[in-house]
Amino acid sequence: EAGVAQSPRYKIIEKRQSVAFWCNPISGHATLYWYQQILGQGPKLLIQFQNNGVVDDSQLPKDRFSAERLKGVDSTLKIQPAKLEDSAVYLCASRLAGDEQFFGPGTRLTVL
Amino acid sequence: KQEVTQIPAALSVPEGENLVLNCSFTDSAIYNLQWFRQDPGKGLTSLLLIQSSQREQTSGRLNASLDKSSGRSTLYIAASQPGDSATYLCAVRDGGATNKLIFGTGTLLAVQP
Repeated sequence: EAGVAQSPRYKIIEKRQSVAFWCNPISGHATLYWYQQILGQGPKLLIQFQNNGVVDDSQLPKDRFSAERLKGVDSTLKIQPAKLEDSAVYLCASRLAGDEQFFGPGTRLTVL
Repeated sequence: KQEVTQIPAALSVPEGENLVLNCSFTDSAIYNLQWFRQDPGKGLTSLLLIQSSQREQTSGRLNASLDKSSGRSTLYIAASQPGDSATYLCAVRDGGATNKLIFGTGTLLAVQP
């Protein structure tokens, strides 16, 4: 069974530029999560989707971050414009049922 | 608001030692607690999941315990190996319906050969 795929793996941008990350969850997993992990900290949930609907986006900085999951499968997370403090690893996870979330390898973003 | 703390932040031990990693949480109304392993440049791998009604879970050389009333969990690693070197994260699932995980800051473990 293929795992959660994310791309790109690494991205370096200048502040005020925009960037997008892509996630392909495990086939059939209805729930998809985006987490932000700043260096030296644990992951923090940004947004949770159930199929193509948003369940929780209470910690998503909506003035600059947006996410979508139009067909209930793949998802994209966008930052526009990026700030220095957005430098982090962005992790995508998916869940079928029960408790276990499966994580992708993450995208490491560096904002200069 | 749930807060999860892990102590120590970093730990270095010689190969073969038994070791304990600690996790504490402020709100005992959790649904379950998970321990994850994170290798550099990689995602998280789930190690053990303890339901709120359970006291411990074991997998190979790993044993995790949960004392919900005191807000504590420990991860015990027996006979440590250099391959155990990684960051270990604990996360609690809050009691709500969203399956939201709240993570600690992690313990960076180095096992010296």
